[in-house]
This record gives sequence, structure tokens and C-alpha cells, in this order.
Amino acid sequence: KAGVTQTPRYLIKTRGQQVTLSCSPISGHRSVSWYQQTPGQGLQFLFEYFSETQRNKGNFPGRFSGRQFSNSRSEMNVSTLELGDSALYLCASSLEGHRAFFGQGTRLTVV
Amino acid sequence: QKEVEQDPGPLSVPEGAIVSLNCTYSNSAFQYFMWYRQYSRKGPELLMYTYSSGNKEDGRFTAQVDKSSKYISLFIRDSQPSDSATYLCAMSANAGGTSYGKLTFGQGTILTVHP
Repeated sequence: KAGVTQTPRYLIKTRGQQVTLSCSPISGHRSVSWYQQTPGQGLQFLFEYFSETQRNKGNFPGRFSGRQFSNSRSEMNVSTLELGDSALYLCASSLEGHRAFFGQGTRLTVV
Repeated sequence: QKEVEQDPGPLSVPEGAIVSLNCTYSNSAFQYFMWYRQYSRKGPELLMYTYSSGNKEDGRFTAQVDKSSKYISLFIRDSQPSDSATYLCAMSANAGGTSYGKLTFGQGTILTVHP
């Protein structure tokens, strides 16, 4: 069974730009969650989508948004990038929302 | 105070040692408990998954949950150099309300097993 696939693996963006990250969950999984991982803050929950609906959202500004498509694939968008947005962005998929399997992540560097 | 506390280490042990990793938590609504292993520049890998209190064993790994003390542990027997990684505990509450799909993580413990 294929795992969670995230693209791209690495990104370098300039402050003020926007970025879109993509996640393909494990086949059959309808829940997709996004996390930000930084050395200082660890893994922090961004939001969760299930059957194209956002069910839960973490404490991040509105610049962070996401969506889920009918095939369960998900995208995350960050607008007006700031230096502090540099992080590893992780996508996780699960059947029910808690036993989650992670992708390899997208490492975003904002310069 | 963070909802989940985990000693960041680092922890260094000789090959063959028994490793004990621990997390404490404050949210009594947590029902699902997980341990992840993360190698450098990789995504977290699910090692153990436990619902409510009790023990679970999988090969060299044993997970324990004590909900009365709000304390969870991961034991690694006969540790190997390939076990060197960051170990993260994670927890979630029953689905519903604001709990859907949200895992709350500890800070992670860096483990090094030297030959």
C-alpha cells in the first residue's frame, strides 16, 4: 500500500510570496491533517479535512489555508510568506482522524 | 504549561540497553496515545498506537499508558544503533467537537544508541 505522498520535498520562497503544498493520502483514508514542525515549537496542528470539509483548525493566522478534493488529495496554501514560516510542513492521513500516518514533509525556506 | 510534556534528552545509551521514554499530559480527555519515530529529515513513522489504559507490545517495543497518572511510556529492549532517532509521543481525544484529527505532540526525545 502506497504511503502518504507530499510534493514538493523542498521549496525556497521569498518573503511576501505565496506557496501551495500538495498531499496525497493513503488510499481509502478520508482524513487529512497538516502540521508545522520547527525546532523551537515542535509539531503544531494546522488543520484537518475530512470528505472535503474542514473539521478542525489550529491556532494559526488566516494566511494558512487548505482544501481537500473529492479524491481526498489535499493542498495547503500560505500567503504573504514571512521568515518565521520556514519549517517542515507535514501531512498525515488516517481513517478516523487519530491513528495518523505521515508523509516525508515539505521543507519550506523563506528568504 | 504545555498539554504534553516530554523530556527532550538527549539520551545516549550503549547497544543492547533497555531504553525508557516518557510523556506526561494534563488533558484528561486524551484517549488515544501514539509513539512516533522520526529520523533526520524524514517524516514521523508510527511505532505504537494504544487506546485508553494498558500495555501493548510489538517486537522490541512496549507501550504503557496509565491514565490515572496521566503518564505514558515507551520501552525499547535490546536497543540497536538503527534505533537512533527522535521519539515523539502524541495524543488525541475522542473525535467530536474540536478534537477531530488533532494530535498533540510532545517535544520529542533525541535518542542515540552507540555500538
